[in-house]
Amino acid sequence: EVQLMESGGGLVKPGGSLRLTCAASGFTFSFHTMSWVRQPPGGGLEWVSSIISTSSYKYYADSVKGRFTISRDNAKNSLFLHLNSLRAEDTSVYYCARRGNYLEGFDLWGRGTMVTVSS
Amino acid sequence: QSALTQPASVSGSPGQSITISCTATDNDVGDFNSVSWYQQHPGVAPKLIIYDVRIRPSGISTRFSGSKSGNTASLTIFGLEAEDEADYFCCSLKAINTYVFGGGTKVTVL
Repeated sequence: EVQLMESGGGLVKPGGSLRLTCAASGFTFSFHTMSWVRQPPGGGLEWVSSIISTSSYKYYADSVKGRFTISRDNAKNSLFLHLNSLRAEDTSVYYCARRGNYLEGFDLWGRGTMVTVSS
Repeated sequence: QSALTQPASVSGSPGQSITISCTATDNDVGDFNSVSWYQQHPGVAPKLIIYDVRIRPSGISTRFSGSKSGNTASLTIFGLEAEDEADYFCCSLKAINTYVFGGGTKVTVL
């Protein structure tokens, strides 16, 4: 089955760190640019970060630049997001999303993992 | 403040057609030719329903149609059905592999 499955979310104090993992299955992970998109409770979607298939280029939203790091391991079909210096406004469901090949759009999404930043 | 503005809510009766607009409020969305739309029901992940302004992925109902005029992209839902009640988000490519989402529109089927 073609799917993405996030894990690693939880409750963390302001200033703390967390590592999110996205496990991909059912497709050739190494062919795709991958992204993280987040959604605060009751809020809209916000693109967070993208990484191309070879990991040569990484892109970040201004709101997370310098605090979050995206990476991937194609051998393990896994995508990661390292979250550092967390703030209350980072509280969100974090989704892993696949950019479609030859199309501009996120054509496959995981179920998301909740990150709560609170003291 | 998102660079893409959507109405907070749109409603319609079953069988009617509705249109959701997505207006680029600054020039930071490039040529605005890489617009996608997502449907999200409560508690589940978003689902791609339109990409590259007007193309439907395989399996998406033909009742969903995308278009663009100037700096406004639109999603039209024809023949509204109860299952269409959801949140809808537009998204545009800003620069290579960099994106911006609209604030979202809640569609209510009366």
